[in-house]
Amino acid sequence: GEDVEQSLFLSVREGDSSVINCTYTDSSSTYLYWYKQEPGAGLQLLTYIFSNMDMKQDQRLTVLLNKKDKHLSLRIADTQTGDSAIYFCAENLPHGSGNTGKLIFGQGTTLQVKP
Amino acid sequence: DGGITQSPKYLFRKEGQNVTLSCEQNLNHDAMYWYRQDPGQGLRLIYYSQIVNDFQKGDIAEGYSVSREKKESFPLTVTSAQKNPTAFYLCASSDRLDLTDTQYFGPGTRLTVL
Repeated sequence: GEDVEQSLFLSVREGDSSVINCTYTDSSSTYLYWYKQEPGAGLQLLTYIFSNMDMKQDQRLTVLLNKKDKHLSLRIADTQTGDSAIYFCAENLPHGSGNTGKLIFGQGTTLQVKP
Repeated sequence: DGGITQSPKYLFRKEGQNVTLSCEQNLNHDAMYWYRQDPGQGLRLIYYSQIVNDFQKGDIAEGYSVSREKKESFPLTVTSAQKNPTAFYLCASSDRLDLTDTQYFGPGTRLTVL
């Protein structure tokens, strides 16, 4: 079945780059997403990438997609203490058979930024 | 100011009691979702609704019930049949015409069963 895997924890120093990795199983996903969750809050969409793209950049965020290896990564440049949060990777399921709109989420990676 | 609201933020209940969590959205989205979040397990889908008066079970529907009588509202009832209801519950919505399938989340309700 569909599955999305992430490492659970990453610790970096303020000012360094952070790279959060994700692997997924469903090669027919059309979009993949990165969400951010701050303590006690809901999920906030950071960015998404269309499956035909290799890279997407948005200010300090760079998303890389290797569709052959089913690997997605999120790079945060110049990581700040305010970036400390849980980051979730997700993929959408192919439309049809009642799957329209459904997303599959990874377990989340806790990013700790040390001053 | 469009968005999704969930209430209450914290909820305490005694074991054996049913409890209803509220989710309201003014984004005019057709689809709404309920997720349960436990530490280290990510988000698991409880129920979802793609249109008013219709809903489907997700991966962990046992012990939960929902209704979708209005487009903007999708309440979740945690029944006494749910064996381990203490968790963080998240509601989300999406626009069926949005080809990106992006879901937008509410702030969550933390349910603690004593």
